[in-house]
Amino acid sequence: KAGVTQTPRYLIKTRGQQVTLSCSPISGHRSVSWYQQTPGQGLQFLFEYFSETQRNKGNFPGRFSGRQFSNSRSEMNVSTLELGDSALYLCASSLGWGEAFFGQGTRLTVV
Amino acid sequence: KQEVTQIPAALSVPEGENLVLNCSFTDSAIYNLQWFRQDPGKGLTSLLLIQSSQREQTSGRLNASLDKSSGRSTLYIAASQPGDSATYLCAGKQGGSEKLVFGKGMKLTVNP
Repeated sequence: KAGVTQTPRYLIKTRGQQVTLSCSPISGHRSVSWYQQTPGQGLQFLFEYFSETQRNKGNFPGRFSGRQFSNSRSEMNVSTLELGDSALYLCASSLGWGEAFFGQGTRLTVV
Repeated sequence: KQEVTQIPAALSVPEGENLVLNCSFTDSAIYNLQWFRQDPGKGLTSLLLIQSSQREQTSGRLNASLDKSSGRSTLYIAASQPGDSATYLCAGKQGGSEKLVFGKGMKLTVNP
């Protein structure tokens, strides 16, 4: 059974640009959550989607947004990139309860 | 607001030792607690999930326990091996959401 797939694996962007990251959950999983991981702050929750609806949102500025499609695939978008947005972005999928499974992440570098 | 703490932040041990990794949480109304492993630059690998109604879970050389009343979970690693070297994270989940609250992790080094 295929795991959680995140694309792309690596990205380099310039300050002020925008970026879109993609996450394909495990087949049958309807919940997708996004996290930002940095050395200083650790893993921080961005948002959670279930059946195309945002159920929960973390404490991040409005530049961070996301959506989920009818096939449960999810995208997150960061606009007007700042140097501090450089991080590993991780996506997790689950049935909507129980165990969460993570992808390999997208490493975003903002220069 | 749930807060999760892992102490110490790092641990270095010789191969073969039995290890106990600690995780503390502030809100006892926890739905479940999950332990993960993370290798450098990689995603998180789920090790064990303990539901709030359970006291412990076992998988191979790993055993995790959950004590809601004291706000603690422990991950026991038997007969540690160099391949166990990684960062171990615990995360708690409240009911009604898939949001995980993570500890900062513990970096384990097992020396041959």
